[in-house]
Amino acid sequence: QSALTQPASVSGSPGQSITISCTGTSSDVGGYNYVSWYQHHPGKAPKLMIYEVSDRPSGVSNRFSGSKSGNTASLTISGLQAEDEADYYCSSYTSSNTGVFGTGTKVTVL
Amino acid sequence: QITLKESGPALVKPTQTLTLTCSFSGFSLSTSGVGVGWIRQPPGKALEWLAVIYWDDDKNYSPSLKSRLTITKDTSKNQVVLTMTNMDPVDTATYYCAHLNDYYDNSRFDYWGQGTLVTVSS
Repeated sequence: QSALTQPASVSGSPGQSITISCTGTSSDVGGYNYVSWYQHHPGKAPKLMIYEVSDRPSGVSNRFSGSKSGNTASLTISGLQAEDEADYYCSSYTSSNTGVFGTGTKVTVL
Repeated sequence: QITLKESGPALVKPTQTLTLTCSFSGFSLSTSGVGVGWIRQPPGKALEWLAVIYWDDDKNYSPSLKSRLTITKDTSKNQVVLTMTNMDPVDTATYYCAHLNDYYDNSRFDYWGQGTLVTVSS
């Protein structure tokens, strides 16, 4: 099972919007609406930000939104804030009844 | 309040078997739909999905590591154990356990432990 493909880095200024892509195949991202996104600050536990492509867990800011088109899912962060600087990972259910993570994206707030 | 904590050796030698324990509270692994999974992250690299076990003892393993992994649960102790055989330096990583509350979505880990760093070296 190959890792999902994410851009290595994305940056933006405070207040701007950025989008992180997550590309898989029809056997994972494209085949199911089971895509999650995680925020990971180094040294801390990853935090679930989005599940089932576009749903937000309770307590997660509505500045975070998710979508999917074909084999590519996307995470958009609106109104970028300094605290959003972190690594972000997508994850998907797969046809093998396992999960797979993305390659990770480092978000930098300029 | 759901909490999870990983425990195990910080250092293992190549070829040895790693045994990690996830101790949790705030939920029961006998509740329908609930699962616990293991994820790892080598230094400077991405997260990697390893295995999950569900309330009904159903188990799923990463295809690339399936031959080396075993996941078990002790419901009475609120623990999940992961064993990984034939350890190699490339297995050096922070190992996390996490709570899964949807049987149909094994990408949705909503609570995580803090992780435990395991170094493989002679």
